[in-house]
Amino acid sequence: DSGVTQTPKHLITATGQRVTLRCSPRSGDLSVYWYQQSLDQGLQFLIQYYNGEERAKGNILERFSAQQFPDLHSELNLSSLELGDSALYFCASSVGRDSNQPQHFGDGTRLSIL
Amino acid sequence: GESVGLHLPTLSVQEGDNSIINCAYSNSASDYFIWYKQESGKGPQFIIDIRSNMDKRQGQRVTVLLNKTVKHLSLQIAATQPGDSAVYFCAENSGGSNYKLTFGKGTLLTVNP
Repeated sequence: DSGVTQTPKHLITATGQRVTLRCSPRSGDLSVYWYQQSLDQGLQFLIQYYNGEERAKGNILERFSAQQFPDLHSELNLSSLELGDSALYFCASSVGRDSNQPQHFGDGTRLSIL
Repeated sequence: GESVGLHLPTLSVQEGDNSIINCAYSNSASDYFIWYKQESGKGPQFIIDIRSNMDKRQGQRVTVLLNKTVKHLSLQIAATQPGDSAVYFCAENSGGSNYKLTFGKGTLLTVNP
């Protein structure tokens, strides 16, 4: 058990809809990272928050947004969903703000767009 | 640009043998490398990491080797067990203003009893 909690585990919705994925980091970790994992693209970094502030951005679409709350949990919002958004979405956390340290992953949310 | 790739997409070994999983990286500025194991239905699990000022690091049954001359990283698993069957990813941090880990595509390790 990594200590990172993601909910829900599975999500099925339709094109055009909006969903929110939730992540609770390990106790003591200030950074939260979001990743998308698909069969053809592998594990792709989306965005990082550190202590409530956006720290780094990766290949995140404009339809996607995230935030980190004062209690350090994070939410990833996906809107105007398309079939190609079907993927596993992982959250990871780490103690510090730099990526030269281990990130600990949750077990992901599997998003299926019908 | 930066990229992380794997030489072998699949590796099949016998239980008790040693396994070696390879990874090539292209960014000579990368200063931190990490290996993850991902089992079916689970998130990536941290195995071991190494910084660019080191050539070798050992953990429990695992060793990571870093060859900066040829930009090559390997993960050695000693006495491989069926529970080691999983997809293994390497990732690099390119350092500087690049605040992200770049992951390779992964290698599927299958351990035959």
